[in-house]
Amino acid sequence: SNELTQPSSVSVSPGQTATITCSGDKLGDRYTSWYQQRPGQSPVLVIYQDNKRPSGIPERFSGSNSGNTATLTISGTQVMDEADYYCQAWYTGTVFGGGTKLSVL
Amino acid sequence: EVQLVESGGNLVQPGGSLRLSCEASGFMFTGYGMNWVRQTPGKGLEWVSYIGAGSPTIYYGDSVKGRFTISRDNARNSMYLHMNDLRAEDTAVYYCARDLGGSADSFDVWGQGTLVTVSS
Repeated sequence: SNELTQPSSVSVSPGQTATITCSGDKLGDRYTSWYQQRPGQSPVLVIYQDNKRPSGIPERFSGSNSGNTATLTISGTQVMDEADYYCQAWYTGTVFGGGTKLSVL
Repeated sequence: EVQLVESGGNLVQPGGSLRLSCEASGFMFTGYGMNWVRQTPGKGLEWVSYIGAGSPTIYYGDSVKGRFTISRDNARNSMYLHMNDLRAEDTAVYYCARDLGGSADSFDVWGQGTLVTVSS
């Protein structure tokens, strides 16, 4: 089915590595993007084409995609990274994952 | 500054119609595909529609197909979403978003959103 599944929440301590997964049918065969959305703000693209960072996105954000799972990794997580994160891929239309609330505490 | 500004959101009764607008500035509008994405308050993102840069390529999400129509006016640097037969489940913040690569799978610029409320 054309669905992307993410964990509803992930917690990490400041300075540690946060890992957020996104699962979908043969997801590794298509490009995945990731978005950060802070409360009350519009989404911001942080990763596109699996592992590329747009200009202005810190190097601590990285991505990978293989098999049925794409992964967003935030190294040296900062308090400012606390937000909702969404994955996205194209099937027969663009599909977003349900979102993961990242808590940094 | 690259910017997208949505407008047109409002309270509308079930079965009613509404037209949303998205005005672009700070970049060559004709060179980019554009999208509408919506978000129910407190919930996740849902892609609504895509329109190609200079071609008539258009896609719709299943939940709006046959009810919503996307269009653009490159002379006005604007994109539109005509929404008919509105339902309660269409209540959401509607964002316009620029397509990075023309494949509707990465959106690098987003507007601030406009709220559509469908209620009697």
